[in-house]
Order: sequence, then C-alpha cells, then structure tokens
Amino acid sequence: DTGVSQDPRHKITKRGQNVTFRCDPISEHNRLYWYRQTLGQGPEFLTYFQNEAQLEKSRLLSDRFSAERPKGSFSTLEIQRTEQGDSAMYLCASSYQDSQSSGANVLTFGAGSRLTVL
Amino acid sequence: AQKITQTQPGMFVQEKEAVTLDCTYDTSDPSYGLFWYKQPSSGEMIFLIYQGSYDQQNATEGRYSLNFQKARKSANLVISASQLGDSAMYFCAMRGLYSGGGADGLTFGKGTHLIIQP
Repeated sequence: DTGVSQDPRHKITKRGQNVTFRCDPISEHNRLYWYRQTLGQGPEFLTYFQNEAQLEKSRLLSDRFSAERPKGSFSTLEIQRTEQGDSAMYLCASSYQDSQSSGANVLTFGAGSRLTVL
Repeated sequence: AQKITQTQPGMFVQEKEAVTLDCTYDTSDPSYGLFWYKQPSSGEMIFLIYQGSYDQQNATEGRYSLNFQKARKSANLVISASQLGDSAMYFCAMRGLYSGGGADGLTFGKGTHLIIQP
C-alpha cells in the first residue's frame, strides 16, 4: 500500500477558472476527509465521506466547492470560478472506522495539492 | 465547538535535548481525543501520538510522550533526545467522541515550527 495519493501536487490557475483535485485513499479505508491549509495555519476541515456518502460539510465549503466519492474509492474536490482566496494547500486524509473502533480514528494524510490562484 | 491553542510559533532546540511543545484545548464534549501530527517541509501530515480523555495514563510512542493534564486542559508533546530530523511543524488537534461513531473533523491548532540545531 502506497498510502494516500493526491494529484496534482501543484496547480497554478487564473482567477475564474475551475480546478479539480483527486485523492486516492488507502484501499481498505472507508472514510475520506478533505482539509484546507493556508500559510501559517493549521488544516481546516472541509468535508468527509463514509464510503460514497458525504456525511458532513463545513461552512467553509462554499457553493463553489463540490466533492464526490463515487463508488466509495477515490474522491475529487472541484472548485469552480476560483478566487485568489482559494489559494491554499488541499489535504486529503483517510481512515477506517466501524462501530467497534476506538475513538482514536487516526487519519492518514496525503502530501497535499497546492493551489495558487493568480 | 472545539478550540486548540498553540502559543509557541517557533522554537530552537539543540540536538539531543528534550523539547516540550505546548497545547491547550477547549471543548464542551465530555469525551474527546487529542492528537499530535508532524508536518515536514514536504507537506505530508504524519501522525505521532494519541491520547483519549478517558485514558488513565499518559500516552507514549518511542521518543514521543504526551503530558496530559485534564484539569488544566493541556496536552503537551514531549520529544526526548531531539534529532535533526525532528525539525518540522508540529500540530496539536482534537475531536469530540460521542456515541454512534460520529466523525467530526479534527480541529487543529496553528502549529509550532520546531528547528533542531546541531
């Protein structure tokens, strides 16, 4: 297992363009999370999936953001009509949790996709 | 709502010395989990250690230990015998635990930039 993979690692785009990031989680993990990290800050939760169901969305996730996880495997995060304020590192994480799991629910993170909006 | 406070933006430590990274938290959840992650310059968040609020003993993982003081709402990370490779950003995080396996996203602090000097 190669861990959590994210693609692309870097993306530079012009304001107003759409961008899409992909995350491939650890194969046996049923939960997948998206976080955003701006310079000098800790990661901020955006949304998470359990299998293919999107169970929670942060208020940080505006209408321009959409995330999907078809078939409960990889996930995509799309940002429409990008703004300069969207410039950040977008981190994906995955974990396995069932009803018997402990509260630890350790998240394994990918290396992130860095977005720069000009 | 949960809040994590890390009051040390940066720290310089001599190699082989022990270092303590401070973390205080605030939550209304009766049960919660506390985490520490390391983020080297490559960007990937690496899980270090976990402490459950109900755990009687402080967590230890190799050179890492967590000094958990529940009454003070603090969860400081102690790294013994620091190494040059320990230079990185360190983030304290928490999540509430409640029945049903709800999966609130982790709440992170702003981090501490640790630099180990030879």
